[in-house]
Amino acid sequence: DIQMTQSPASVSAFVGERITITCRASKDISTWVAWYQHKAGQAPKLLMHLGVGLQSGVSSRFSGSGFGTDFTLTISGLQPEDAATYYCQQANSFPLAFGGGTKVELK
Amino acid sequence: QVQLQESGPGLVKPSETLSLTCSVSGGSISNSDYHWGWIRQAPGKGLEWIGSIFYLGGTHYSPSLKSRLTMSVDTSKNQFSLKMTSMTAADTAVYYCARLSQGYDYWGQGTLVTVSS
Repeated sequence: DIQMTQSPASVSAFVGERITITCRASKDISTWVAWYQHKAGQAPKLLMHLGVGLQSGVSSRFSGSGFGTDFTLTISGLQPEDAATYYCQQANSFPLAFGGGTKVELK
Repeated sequence: QVQLQESGPGLVKPSETLSLTCSVSGGSISNSDYHWGWIRQAPGKGLEWIGSIFYLGGTHYSPSLKSRLTMSVDTSKNQFSLKMTSMTAADTAVYYCARLSQGYDYWGQGTLVTVSS
């Protein structure tokens, strides 16, 4: 089974800054990773699919990269509405798995 | 616009079985492009994948929950369901149903299930 290790657990940044979240898969998953934004009281929202594919309607402030075992989600020009918890998820093979999450806070 | 809606009891007693149903509208559950899944989030914890089902009935379960799970699909009602046996307080969580494409692209709003006597 494939595990996803996500870091950091939390990050705090100013409006306008760029932040990067990292996810490492326990084995090669090509580009089969998805990224989600989750705000309290809401359903998670799919941001990126296949590592670099921006989901329709999602701001271009979000970008993804990586291949194999190491993946990143970058938020450029952080906005107040970006405060949330972010999760990676391997979509390569069942059983699927989420990373532990990264809480993004605004300073 | 695809919409998913979870339904089921908000309170379950310890050792009992949880039954949840997800109703899908705006799209067919028989579309072979998608799987349908369940994900949960316990209080203060992250997202946990529970399992997925295809419209023909093929299932995939979390190894840690597999012995307690049964998922099924009713194409005539455009619904899929989850049964989880031997519920304990550790199963208290918000349970989401969702559609799986290259990621989970459509989600229900979630239903809180509390396990308590």
